[in-house]
Order: sequence, then C-alpha cells, then structure tokens
Amino acid sequence: SQQGEEDPQALSIQEGENATMNCSYKTSINNLQWYRQNSGRGLVHLILIRSNEREKHSGRLRVTLDTSKKSSSLLITASRAADTASYFCAHSGGGADGLTFGKGTHLIIQP
Amino acid sequence: ETGVTQTPRHLVMGMTNKKSLKCEQHLGHNAMYWYKQSAKKPLELMFVYSLEERVENNSVPSRFSPECPNSSHLFLHLHTLQPEDSALYLCASSQARGWETQYFGPGTRLLVL
Repeated sequence: SQQGEEDPQALSIQEGENATMNCSYKTSINNLQWYRQNSGRGLVHLILIRSNEREKHSGRLRVTLDTSKKSSSLLITASRAADTASYFCAHSGGGADGLTFGKGTHLIIQP
Repeated sequence: ETGVTQTPRHLVMGMTNKKSLKCEQHLGHNAMYWYKQSAKKPLELMFVYSLEERVENNSVPSRFSPECPNSSHLFLHLHTLQPEDSALYLCASSQARGWETQYFGPGTRLLVL
C-alpha cells in the first residue's frame, strides 16, 4: 500500500498548548499536503510543502518535511477549541492520479 | 465555502434503489474526484476525471458509475448498493490532475439499508 500513516491516532490537549502530529509515507513524492476535517464535513486544505522544501509556516501552522525519513510533522501553536478536528496528511507522486491520504489524527482541544 | 457543492447532503436508499450524487465546482478547475470515506478507514480515491476524461480506479465495483458531462459537473450513479457501501462520499476538484491542492465539497452521507 502507498498509504501514509498519521501518528498519533488521537490527541487531547489543553487550550493554549501546542499540538504536534506526524505523518509517514512510503513512496517518492512531489509534495505533501495537510488537510483538516470537522466532524462529518468535507476536508479543508491547510498547507502544502514541496519535496524540495524543509519547513513552511502559515499563521499558527508549521510544517516540516524530511524526505530522507519519508516523514512530515504539523505543529499547531497556541491551540484553540476551534482547532478540534481530524487532521490528514496527503501526498502525491508514486504514479497515483490523485492524492493518497493517511488515516488521520483526531485532535481534541479542551477549554 | 470552498466553491464545491454536493447534493444531496444526506441520502437513505434501499439495496434495490437507483440514485445519483451530484457535484458541482465553481472554481474553473479541470480535474474532479470522487472519494469514499468509511468509518475508521482512510479516504479511498474512487474516480478521477481530467478534462472530462475518466481515469478509473479498477477496484471500484461496477455498482458505482461516474459521469462527467462537463468540467464543472460530476455525478456518481448508484444502483444495487450493499450496506457496506454506507459512507461519506466526497467530491473534490483541482486545477489539474495529480498533485495539486484539492478543494472538497461537504460530502453526501449515504446510508444503504
């Protein structure tokens, strides 16, 4: 399977703390993307990092990519209750015509 | 609002019914996708259309039949479904096929009785 894996599967932290989620993948990639999904809704694109980039920032989000380890991490700083959602990494490449998604990390921010 | 709409949002159907899911994108994109999201499983890519040409995932049962009449509309025709087909069906679009950022619709929650 070319599918990636997120880690941890579930994460519960207090509001204001930082949340870190990890993603591993198995194939060569063109880029790696992170998406967010609120319960039962569609996915929303958060950030894309290209295979030649190592780190990228967007607001309270920081993404790193280590192609030698085939892994990425998503850091959400100063978490808010509204950040409660499932977070998925998705990668392209490996001959697929679309994106390959991981199983996701379910993040709960406790007020 | 991502610019991708899906109807209906919820659907209950029997195993002998025929129904269709509709997706429309207002983003001027050239590629559209159907995904299936079941509980505790990763999103499964079902079909990809690029400039109205289908790239099919061969593992999708023939009871699912996609149609892309133009670059803005995508349908998923359903017939003789099984209870295990109950899932959230998500439509997405992107500027081009492959590794671009995808924009998702809100999904259709399907229950097969």
